[in-house]
Amino acid sequence: KAGVTQTPRYLIKTRGQQVTLSCSPISGHRSVSWYQQTPGQGLQFLFEYFSETQRNKGNFPGRFSGRQFSNSRSEMNVSTLELGDSALYLCASSLVTSTDTQYFGPGTRLTVL
Amino acid sequence: GENVEQHPSTLSVQEGDSAVIKCTYSDSASNYFPWYKQELGKRPQLIIDIRSNVGEKKDQRIAVTLNKTAKHFSLHITETQPEDSAVYFCAASRGGSSNTGKLIFGQGTTLQVKP
Repeated sequence: KAGVTQTPRYLIKTRGQQVTLSCSPISGHRSVSWYQQTPGQGLQFLFEYFSETQRNKGNFPGRFSGRQFSNSRSEMNVSTLELGDSALYLCASSLVTSTDTQYFGPGTRLTVL
Repeated sequence: GENVEQHPSTLSVQEGDSAVIKCTYSDSASNYFPWYKQELGKRPQLIIDIRSNVGEKKDQRIAVTLNKTAKHFSLHITETQPEDSAVYFCAASRGGSSNTGKLIFGQGTTLQVKP
């Protein structure tokens, strides 16, 4: 099976702009979770989608949002970008629940100037 | 709140020695504990996981132990090899309908195996 894919792999944006990242899960996986990885904060949970519904949300401001489509592909959006949003954004897919193994994509490296 | 503490932050061992990384979690409802290995520039990859109904799990040179009473779990790597060098993350998850898809990660341990 093909693994989790993410596009784009790299993005450079300026403060105030918005960005959309995409994640395609492993075929058959219905849960997609998003994480932010930074050197200072480590890996932090953003949100999780299952069957097109947000099932869980981390402690991030409302500028961070996401959605999931009927084919389980997911997008996350960050509006009004800040310098501190520079990070590696990882998505992970699993069959149904959080106790199913989560498989990570390669990530999207976002740099905000 | 939910928190996972991971120690040490860096660990250097000689090839062939054992390495141990320890994690402590705060949420007593956590019931799933995966370990991920992340090589430089690559995605985190699951290396082993354990569920709360099991005290120990082994896979070749890697083992994980869980002490639910103390809320501790540990990763043990024996006969370390240079290719084991990476950052290792522990994580905890509650599972269930209210916390699905949410892994709480430790801060990571950079393991260096010297040839």
